[in-house]
Amino acid sequence: DTAVSQTPKYLVTQMGNDKSIKCEQNLGHDTMYWYKQDSKKFLKIMFSYNNKELIINETVPNRFSPKSPDKAHLNLHINSLELGDSAVYFCASSQAPGGEKPQHFGDGTRLSIL
Amino acid sequence: KQEVTQIPAALSVPEGENLVLNCSFTDSAIYNLQWFRQDPGKGLTSLLLIQSSQREQTSGRLNASLDKSSGRSTLYIAASQPGDSATYLCAAALFMNRDDKIIFGKGTRLHILP
Repeated sequence: DTAVSQTPKYLVTQMGNDKSIKCEQNLGHDTMYWYKQDSKKFLKIMFSYNNKELIINETVPNRFSPKSPDKAHLNLHINSLELGDSAVYFCASSQAPGGEKPQHFGDGTRLSIL
Repeated sequence: KQEVTQIPAALSVPEGENLVLNCSFTDSAIYNLQWFRQDPGKGLTSLLLIQSSQREQTSGRLNASLDKSSGRSTLYIAASQPGDSATYLCAAALFMNRDDKIIFGKGTRLHILP
């Protein structure tokens, strides 16, 4: 009965590859997010979707492309992976955008680029 | 540009003591402020969310305060326990509109000594 689930939990791949991370929430929330946590543990928002529509797109390389097939899912596809992409990626959801409601986080996907 | 700062970066406290974690933000036009807990290898767990019109929120041994005019929030933990050891992050939600953003601090790593 996990609220926000991400797969895979660990992802090790070579530079130049394309990979996807999946996120699903069963809370009935309208808003979903992707965050990146770097090696210094600094958490920064990447994307925010509300009702399947993109509402925040921070300065992120266009190699990163989020896709929301429905309100319960927000997947992150990354093309041509680079060494600097190594980080922990967190998915989150909330009832409404803008921090009006608490955010619920997944356990993270640890991406390591060789 | 909104910046969120948490000091200290790390804190060790003997079990049973009360403690305060600090969070400061540069732009007082926040919609709300949220405190999270992050355990190693895990996602973030929302602890308390304070709306901009509120001064404090309480949950069990936790009490969070908000002073928008001074750009400060504190998280008070009473009667600390070893299970409280984790990283605590605060996040400020900027003023509510379609382009709302949430800015995280870098966190305070708390270690409760048995």
